[in-house]
Amino acid sequence: GENVEQHPSTLSVQEGDSAVIKCTYSDSASNYFPWYKQELGKRPQLIIDIRSNVGEKKDQRIAVTLNKTAKHFSLHITETQPEDSAVYFCAAEYNTDKLIFGTGTRLQVFP
Amino acid sequence: DVKVTQSSRYLVKRTGEKVFLECVQDMDHENMFWYRQDPGLGLRLIYFSYDVKMKEKGDIPEGYSVSREKKERFSLILESASTNQTSMYLCASNDRSYEQYFGPGTRLTVT
Repeated sequence: GENVEQHPSTLSVQEGDSAVIKCTYSDSASNYFPWYKQELGKRPQLIIDIRSNVGEKKDQRIAVTLNKTAKHFSLHITETQPEDSAVYFCAAEYNTDKLIFGTGTRLQVFP
Repeated sequence: DVKVTQSSRYLVKRTGEKVFLECVQDMDHENMFWYRQDPGLGLRLIYFSYDVKMKEKGDIPEGYSVSREKKERFSLILESASTNQTSMYLCASNDRSYEQYFGPGTRLTVT
């Protein structure tokens, strides 16, 4: 069945360093790949997404890259700040409109 | 602002009780979703509805049912609650292939 693998499960970085989270997916028909951030006690919120007609998308300090051939995509956060600390989920769309989520990455940014 | 609300933030029920979780969205979205979130497992789709009175099973529908009588409201029903249904339940809504907006979640404890 459809599957999204996400690594690492936890990530600790020093403030100002970069953080990279990687996901692989199984359904070659997937065309939409969002990333959600969930702060402690709050709801998941979309931070960036990419569709399969682009290889990279940036929004200030965050970027997402997509390699459809290899079926993997990554989230890059540069110049990390303590407020970036959260759980990040990748997802891939399958069967139109449904998302399958990765298991999450807990990012901790230490001052 | 999109608003997705859930009827309760915290709920404690006994084994065997029938449990109703309600979700309401105010953006006239076509699609509504119910997920459960467990540590280390990410968000798993229970049921999905793409129109009034329409529903589709997600990845873990066993032990759950849903109801969508009005476009803005999507209910999750636990016919006979069991302890393994203790979890965080998140509702979400969207229009086709766009951002999913999540509710604040209901933390359900079944004792």
